[in-house]
Amino acid sequence: AQTVTQSQPEMSVQEAETVTLSCTYDTSENNYYLFWYKQPPSRQMILVIRQEAYKQQNATENRFSVNFQKAAKSFSLKISDSQLGDTAMYFCAFMKHAGANNLFFGTGTRLTVIP
Amino acid sequence: EAQVTQNPRYLITVTGKKLTVTCSQNMNHEYMSWYRQDPGLGLRQIYYSMNVEVTDKGDVPEGYKVSRKEKRNFPLILESPSPNQTSLYFCASSLAGGRETQYFGPGTRLLVL
Repeated sequence: AQTVTQSQPEMSVQEAETVTLSCTYDTSENNYYLFWYKQPPSRQMILVIRQEAYKQQNATENRFSVNFQKAAKSFSLKISDSQLGDTAMYFCAFMKHAGANNLFFGTGTRLTVIP
Repeated sequence: EAQVTQNPRYLITVTGKKLTVTCSQNMNHEYMSWYRQDPGLGLRQIYYSMNVEVTDKGDVPEGYKVSRKEKRNFPLILESPSPNQTSLYFCASSLAGGRETQYFGPGTRLLVL
């Protein structure tokens, strides 16, 4: 079974600073996908970034980037130039490459951006 | 606009009164899924559907039913709701199984008294 662990229940960062959210996972699969989803106070689940395990290059989306360490089974999210709108719950999620499209989520990290 | 919609967004009901939460997507996605979100537990999958008439259990299926008679719709049915089903429910869809990114609906907050 796949498990996803987010060891930081809450974090805070000063506006314009950089913050890194941690995620580790456990799987016996070799090919899989990893995601970060953002859940603002509206409760909507918004895809932030996605990483394919077979790609060595770390994914980036504007101010968001990941540090994917396959051997260590680590998938951290870096948010640069933090903005007030980044205040949200962030979930790390895992999906196997083949078969059913089931997402396995971590328990989330609540990020607060301080003005 | 491409989207996943859920209705109702908020629902208060009593134990044992059957209810249905609808989910619809306009993206011609084959894969649809239901999750529940509870504090401290993240999101957990209830049921999923790979295509019309094909459904299967996720991690927490007890007390729920689903059906997939049309590609765009995937209702979640609680035949006899209980207080432990009080939760925030999300429907999600993706183009297909496997590698495709899932897109989520706005969520339905359910309170069972």
